[in-house]
Order: sequence, then structure tokens, then C-alpha cells
Amino acid sequence: NAGVTQTPKFRILKIGQSMTLQCTQDMNHNYMYWYRQDPGMGLKLIYYSVGAGITDKGEVPNGYNVSRSTTEDFPLRLELAAPSQTSVYFCASSYSSIWTSMKDEQYFGPGTRLTVT
Amino acid sequence: QQPVQSPQAVILREGEDAVINCSSSKALYSVHWYRQKHGEAPVFLMILLKGGEQKGHDKISASFNEKKQQSSLYLTASQLSYSGTYFCGTESSDWNTDKLIFGTGTRLQVFP
Repeated sequence: NAGVTQTPKFRILKIGQSMTLQCTQDMNHNYMYWYRQDPGMGLKLIYYSVGAGITDKGEVPNGYNVSRSTTEDFPLRLELAAPSQTSVYFCASSYSSIWTSMKDEQYFGPGTRLTVT
Repeated sequence: QQPVQSPQAVILREGEDAVINCSSSKALYSVHWYRQKHGEAPVFLMILLKGGEQKGHDKISASFNEKKQQSSLYLTASQLSYSGTYFCGTESSDWNTDKLIFGTGTRLQVFP
């Protein structure tokens, strides 16, 4: 299993440009997440999805959009990039069953380092 | 609301012990602990659930005080590989999903 993969690894954008960060998982996890991590800071949840076709906002959703058409893929779209969106972006996935109370761990991708200038 | 972690940073010699604390202002359903090495993705350490269920590594222990809305991570006989930044992620009882709010992190450095 490749786990959670993200592309690209690095990207430099000019202000006002748009781009899509790709995230794919091959573990058949129902939950997927997008986080951003600014230098020296913690993880901030941007959007998450509990299954194909279902997405919801996290702590910092402004300036981003997501879609979840398949179980495997959860792309993050940046429209009109701004310098404040310079960050490292992590995608993660986890499995949660409605039959047990046990919450499974989140598996993180390697991250995408984005610079907006 | 973001959980508060303490201390912000810890410096240890190999073999010493450390405790990292995580405190929330909200009633919690679960607490997750992750470790992140510089330039890498976070890696899972431990989950603690309301009611006492746990899942995690054998060499790391943690506690969850539901009444105080606090969790502590215990690192005993530290090794060089323990160095990194530790994050707690809290799941509020207000919503029973896997939506975690992460703390600001505790940076741990272990020296020989």
C-alpha cells in the first residue's frame, strides 16, 4: 500500500493564480482531511470529508474548496492565491466505523510546500 | 477552541523522563497524540477515548482525565529518536466525528 500520496511536493504560485493540490489514499478510508501548517505552528483543519460526496468546513476554510467524488481522492482547490496561503499542506485519512466507539488514527501524506509570492 | 499544550519545549538527556500536557476548554470525546519530526508528516502515537479505551504504541503511555478535560503523554527512558514536536488533537463531545483540533505543539529535544 502506498498509503496517502500528495502531489506536488513543492509549488510556487504568483498572487491571484489558482491551483489544485491532489491527495489520494489506497487504504479504503472513509474519512479524509486537509490541514495547513504554518512555520513553527500546529495543524489547522481546512476541510474534511466523512465519505464520498460529503464534505464540511474545518477551522480555516476561507480561500479553499474541496470535492470528494470517490473514496480515494480528495483534491484541495486554491482560488486566487494570496501570500497568507503560504504554508505546508497535509492531507490525511482515517477509518471510522459506526459500529464501535474506537476512533482510528489518521495517516498523513508527506505534505505539499506552497509559496505564494 | 485550540487545546493548550505545556510545556512549549523540553530538553532532555537520553534516559530521562518527560510529561507533556494537553488541556481543553471543551468537554472531550477523545484525545489523539502525534509526533512530527522536522520536515516530515505527523505520525500517530496514541488515542484515548472517553470511557477508558486506548490504542497506541507499547512504549508510550498516556492518560485522559475526562472531568478536567486534560490529557498527559508520558515519555519514559527517553531515546534520541523521541526528539520532535508532539501534538495533541482533541475531539469535542459536541460533535461525534473525527474532526480534530490540534494544539500548538511541544518541542522535545533529546541529547546523548
